[in-house]
Amino acid sequence: NAGVMQNPRHLVRRRGQEARLRCSPMKGHSHVYWYRQLPEEGLKFMVYLQKENIIDESGMPKERFSAEFPKEGPSILRIQQVVRGDSAAYFCASSPEWAGTSQETQYFGPGTRLLVL
Amino acid sequence: DQQVKQNSPSLSVQEGRISILNCDYTNSMFDYFLWYKKYPAEGPTFLISISSIKDKNEDGRFTVFLNKSAKHLSLHIVPSQPGDSAVYFCAAISRRGKLVFGKGTKLTVNP
Repeated sequence: NAGVMQNPRHLVRRRGQEARLRCSPMKGHSHVYWYRQLPEEGLKFMVYLQKENIIDESGMPKERFSAEFPKEGPSILRIQQVVRGDSAAYFCASSPEWAGTSQETQYFGPGTRLLVL
Repeated sequence: DQQVKQNSPSLSVQEGRISILNCDYTNSMFDYFLWYKKYPAEGPTFLISISSIKDKNEDGRFTVFLNKSAKHLSLHIVPSQPGDSAVYFCAAISRRGKLVFGKGTKLTVNP
């Protein structure tokens, strides 16, 4: 059973470009979470999605950031018009159920390291 | 406002000795706590967890203690091994499964 997969592992963008980060959850997992880790910081929650639904996007910046988890295919975190402050590691996690009530742990992918020049 | 705090950025111990990593939290609504281990260039890996109704959970060399009145938890690793060298994140579950992480403690176990 493959783990959570993220690609690309490293992404370099110039200011103003778009960044697309992909996450394929573990087989059988229908819940996806995105986190961002800035240098010297812990991971910060961004968004929680189920298939075709955004459940909680309270950690997502209001502008330029969007996320989706379509019926088919990976979850996508999209950052438009990137700025230098977007440089960070972006981690995706998945769980089979809502981690809050079932106490299922979230399994993390290896992350995408975004560098904005 | 940091709801989960790990005040020690780093910790160094000798192989075979005990490693104690500490974590404090401020939100009394947290009801589940987890420790994650992270190697460079990898994602966090779940290590051990504890429900707020317990005060201790043990798994092999790893034990987590929870003191709810003090809003404090700690991870004990004994005996420590060089392969335990990593960054350890304390995390708490809030509503909707949203993990709230501390900043991490880098553990170095010296042979």
